[in-house]
Amino acid sequence: GQQLNQSPQSMFIQEGEDVSMNCTSSSIFNTWLWYKQDPGEGPVLLIALYKAGELTSNGRLTAQFGITRKDSFLNISASIPSDVGIYFCAGDRADGLTFGKGTHLIIQP
Amino acid sequence: DVKVTQSSRYLVKRTGEKVFLECVQDMDHENMFWYRQDPGLGLRLIYFSYDVKMKEKGDIPEGYSVSREKKERFSLILESASTNQTSMYLCASSLRAGQSTDTQYFGPGTRLTVL
Repeated sequence: GQQLNQSPQSMFIQEGEDVSMNCTSSSIFNTWLWYKQDPGEGPVLLIALYKAGELTSNGRLTAQFGITRKDSFLNISASIPSDVGIYFCAGDRADGLTFGKGTHLIIQP
Repeated sequence: DVKVTQSSRYLVKRTGEKVFLECVQDMDHENMFWYRQDPGLGLRLIYFSYDVKMKEKGDIPEGYSVSREKKERFSLILESASTNQTSMYLCASSLRAGQSTDTQYFGPGTRLTVL
């Protein structure tokens, strides 16, 4: 099946630092989604991208849909403690989403 | 706001038991999905449904069945639970069938432990 490679697997950063993570695939997707999951909770949608090249912001979060439609990145600026969690990228397919394995973000005060 | 609820946050069952996980969405969504989430494996699609009484297998349907008798409710059934089905189960829904740009909204998850 389709595979999404998400990196890095985990990040240990200081509060206030910027964060960058990305997803790549050998397949083309029509939509890229970024979710955040807090411990013991379901994923919550952060940003949805629908067009190749699209750059979208949501507060301190910025995500881009790669021009080849095979990749996407998510940036978080000026990280704060509540940004801790697991971030997932997902690419759409007609019968569901294909998920990356997640980037575990840990912030040290 | 879209609300997806799951009947239990935590469940503990014994091997061989029949287990029902219930999911309800309140936004008249056509599509509903069941995933399981395991460390190092991410989210994997078990089954999905795009209409009442319709179901399609996902990537890992073995050992599971589903039921969608009403539009708002999608049930995951473990006919005979096994220890390798210990996992976090996530339900999701999206608005329209066949829309590739449709966003999925997730419930809070059910953490199932099979002893």
